[in-house]
Amino acid sequence: GAGVSQSPRYKVAKRGQDVALRCDPISGHVSLFWYQQALGQGPEFLTYFQNEAQLDKSGLPSDRFFAERPEGSVSTLKIQRTQQEDSAVYLCASSQARVETQYFGPGTRLLVL
Amino acid sequence: AQKITQTQPGMFVQEKEAVTLDCTYDTSDPSYGLFWYKQPSSGEMIFLIYQGSYDQQNATEGRYSLNFQKARKSANLVISASQLGDSAMYFCAMREVVSGTYKYIFGTGTRLKVLA
Repeated sequence: GAGVSQSPRYKVAKRGQDVALRCDPISGHVSLFWYQQALGQGPEFLTYFQNEAQLDKSGLPSDRFFAERPEGSVSTLKIQRTQQEDSAVYLCASSQARVETQYFGPGTRLLVL
Repeated sequence: AQKITQTQPGMFVQEKEAVTLDCTYDTSDPSYGLFWYKQPSSGEMIFLIYQGSYDQQNATEGRYSLNFQKARKSANLVISASQLGDSAMYFCAMREVVSGTYKYIFGTGTRLKVLA
């Protein structure tokens, strides 16, 4: 596609529910990043993929957060047993290589009630 | 210590005027990169401009230029001839190597409002 796409754009979950957020990177981009952006803050790094390999997951806040990219293109960020503090915008970005400029999707706004 | 510092939570500028958004950074990596992104109310982060630590000249992209002062660890964004559509959040970001791994760190952003 022309840009990075994410779905859903908005998600409301009850506390304790599991959610799955999808990211479709720019075609051919090897690198894929997930970020969490709290209200009024800058994005904070969650995890990084190079093709299908998850090379860095140091930013995942707890073991309730899990990400995958099984075929090296589409990625899914899963949050299990959501908590209110998980409410944020989740941004996905892709780039041709890790050192190259990242291009972001529109984000998924998650609200946990 | 903050890796990326944006000291201006909000800025106003008159349409057609120039505006400078401040960014200072802190890193011990000699080979780092600096980025500016624009985030309109729609939420998408839009890449504006990039400066590598070894680049001799300041980066420019259309109305955007980066005032890179390496010794001062400063990477200010200059927007010339401001337009109403420039109203948005602006984030400064840095890429650095930490323990052999590339890390990306974003500042807290500056909200710019362009006045008609």
